[in-house]
Amino acid sequence: GAVVSQHPSRVICKSGTSVKIECRSLDFQATTMFWYRQFPKKSLMLMATSNEGSKATYEQGVEKDKFLINHASLTLSTLTVTSAHPEDSSFYICSARDLAGDTQYFGPGTRLTVL
Amino acid sequence: AQSVSQHNHHVILSEAASLELGCNYSYGGTVNLFWYVQYPGQHLQLLLKYFSGDPLVKGIKGFEAEFIKSKFSFNLRKPSVQWSDTAEYFCAVNPGHNFNKFYFGSGTKLNVKP
Repeated sequence: GAVVSQHPSRVICKSGTSVKIECRSLDFQATTMFWYRQFPKKSLMLMATSNEGSKATYEQGVEKDKFLINHASLTLSTLTVTSAHPEDSSFYICSARDLAGDTQYFGPGTRLTVL
Repeated sequence: AQSVSQHNHHVILSEAASLELGCNYSYGGTVNLFWYVQYPGQHLQLLLKYFSGDPLVKGIKGFEAEFIKSKFSFNLRKPSVQWSDTAEYFCAVNPGHNFNKFYFGSGTKLNVKP
């Protein structure tokens, strides 16, 4: 149980285009989903927290107009990287918290490469 | 700002050796503490967690961790590692029981030689 999927697993795009990453909780309802960015040899950096049906809460320094997050249902959240640039290349990981609320379950991540 | 420190970035052990990975955090209030493991090519999985009660927490696959409040530490231990424990290990802190805030350490890569 408690499986979280992400799609796509890898994406390569041209600079200036937008990329959407999906995060789904497959066998449970997730009231809250989290989006992280992982830099090489560094920790996971929390970008934003999204609650179903409400606006996402962004961490300090994360541009909300660049990283659009939508959490339209209890099983799906999307992260759209708008007007992507090479510096946005990274590994993006989502996680979901179940209704009990005390544990996060992580997706496998999405490798974004912006040319 | 809150921070989570994992001072060992890369650890190499032989099978059957004992393991201890350090984790220190800077948040001064109540915290929930977690250890996650990421096996090669796989996603992060929960190893164990501490919310309250007995500061010695036992997790899956023979891992345990001890919360020492006075030292702001939550070190991960295993008495005898196996080759299959080769992975990256992340400590995470959830301050003040706010389940919307998780702070991760930079991770420790463990290589176990067969």
